[in-house]
Amino acid sequence: GNSVTQMEGPVTLSEEAFLTINCTYTATGYPSLFWYVQYPGEGLQLLLKATKADDKGSNKGFEATYRKETTSFHLEKGSVQVSDSAVYFCALRGGATNKLIFGTGTLLAVQP
Amino acid sequence: EPEVTQTPSHQVTQMGQEVILRCVPISNHLYFYWYRQILGQKVEFLVSFYNNEISEKSEIFDDQFSVERPDGSNFTLKIRSTKLEDSAMYFCASSILDIQGDTIYFGEGSWLTVV
Repeated sequence: GNSVTQMEGPVTLSEEAFLTINCTYTATGYPSLFWYVQYPGEGLQLLLKATKADDKGSNKGFEATYRKETTSFHLEKGSVQVSDSAVYFCALRGGATNKLIFGTGTLLAVQP
Repeated sequence: EPEVTQTPSHQVTQMGQEVILRCVPISNHLYFYWYRQILGQKVEFLVSFYNNEISEKSEIFDDQFSVERPDGSNFTLKIRSTKLEDSAMYFCASSILDIQGDTIYFGEGSWLTVV
């Protein structure tokens, strides 16, 4: 069945550092891919998405490119801020079911 | 910006008690969902609901669980007889469409602690 694997955390970075959070997936067909973010004490918010191969989703300085050949959707940001500290979830939707399948989440801690 | 709202934010209940978690989905959305996250584990799908019927449910969603849209705005999850392993964060969500490219919008979650 469909599944998502993302890098384990926590990831600890200094402010202005480059961020990569790896996400790979297994799915039948061509799913849509999502990154959700959960800030402390808040719910899940959509950060960005891509619905077909080679699409790039972007929002708030974050980017992720749908790579069909490597079945990946890695999240990147060129310069993180303390306010980016949160848990980031990679997810997919598609195939035999439209339910969202989540990865385990990656905690990002950005230090000043 | 429209949002999904959930109540209560946190509930502590004794094992065997009934719990109802409430949600108000985004007003023009047609599809409603419950997901849950046990502490330290993945966010898992429980159930989807459309046109007053369950459209899909997971193996977690057994006879102890039920969902209802009692009026035009609320969407509820009931757990009839809670178990310790039901302790989790429960997320309500909604979407306009139920296609893979459509975004699912989540509420802030209801923490359920069963003691």
